[in-house]
Amino acid sequence: AQKITQTQPGMFVQEKEAVTLDCTYDTSDPSYGLFWYKQPSSGEMIFLIYQGSYDQQNATEGRYSLNFQKARKSANLVISASQLGDSAMYFCAMRDFDYNQGGKLIFGQGTELSVKP
Amino acid sequence: EADIYQTPRYLVIGTGKKITLECSQTMGHDKMYWYQQDPGMELHLIHYSYGVNSTEKGDLSSESTVSRIRTEHFPLTLESARPSHTSQYLCASSDQGLLETQYFGPGTRLLVL
Repeated sequence: AQKITQTQPGMFVQEKEAVTLDCTYDTSDPSYGLFWYKQPSSGEMIFLIYQGSYDQQNATEGRYSLNFQKARKSANLVISASQLGDSAMYFCAMRDFDYNQGGKLIFGQGTELSVKP
Repeated sequence: EADIYQTPRYLVIGTGKKITLECSQTMGHDKMYWYQQDPGMELHLIHYSYGVNSTEKGDLSSESTVSRIRTEHFPLTLESARPSHTSQYLCASSDQGLLETQYFGPGTRLLVL
C-alpha cells in the first residue's frame, strides 16, 4: 500500500538559513510523482514542487529543491535562505499510476515549520 | 497561480441544516477532487470526478454528495449537517494525465454546532 511518512511534526529555522524537511514514501508502482505543498494558517494548499520517479535530476523551483533519493525512497524538501513568510505547514504527497480513485494524492502528516527572525 | 475558487471560506451552521460548498475552476481541468482535513492532520480524499457526469467516492467515507454538471463546477452537499462534519474541505483540480499536479482552492472551514 502507498504511504507517505513525515517524521518531523515541527521544525525551527533561523531566518536566512537553509532547512530540510524529511519525507519518505512507500509504493510498489515504478511510476509515481512526488509533490510538496505549503499550507499557511489561512488554510489554502499551495503547490511548491514536483518530482517524477523517472526524472534524472532533482527538481528545483526558486528557493525550493527536492532531494530525491530513489533507492532510499526519500524526497526531502530543501528551502534555502528561509524567510519569515515560509512559516507554515508543509505536506509531502505522492501520486502513482494506480488509476483507482482518479490518481488521488496520498498525503503525509505534515511538518510545521517556524522561521525565527 | 491556479484559478480555483471555493465559497464560502467559513461557515458556522446548526445541526440538521442542508449546506452546499461551492467549488469552481477556470482552468478547463477535467479532474476535480474534494478532500477533508481535520486541524493539523493530513488530507483525505472524499470525492472525485473524471469529468462531466462522473462522480466517485474516495477512500474516506463521507455522508456528503457531489455533482458535476459542468466542467468548471463541482459542488459538495451535506443534506443534514452534524457536529462530526466539522472540518476543513479542500477542492482541487488537475489536467488529464496520471501524474498531473493538483491545484487547490482556498478551502472552506465548516463548523457545525
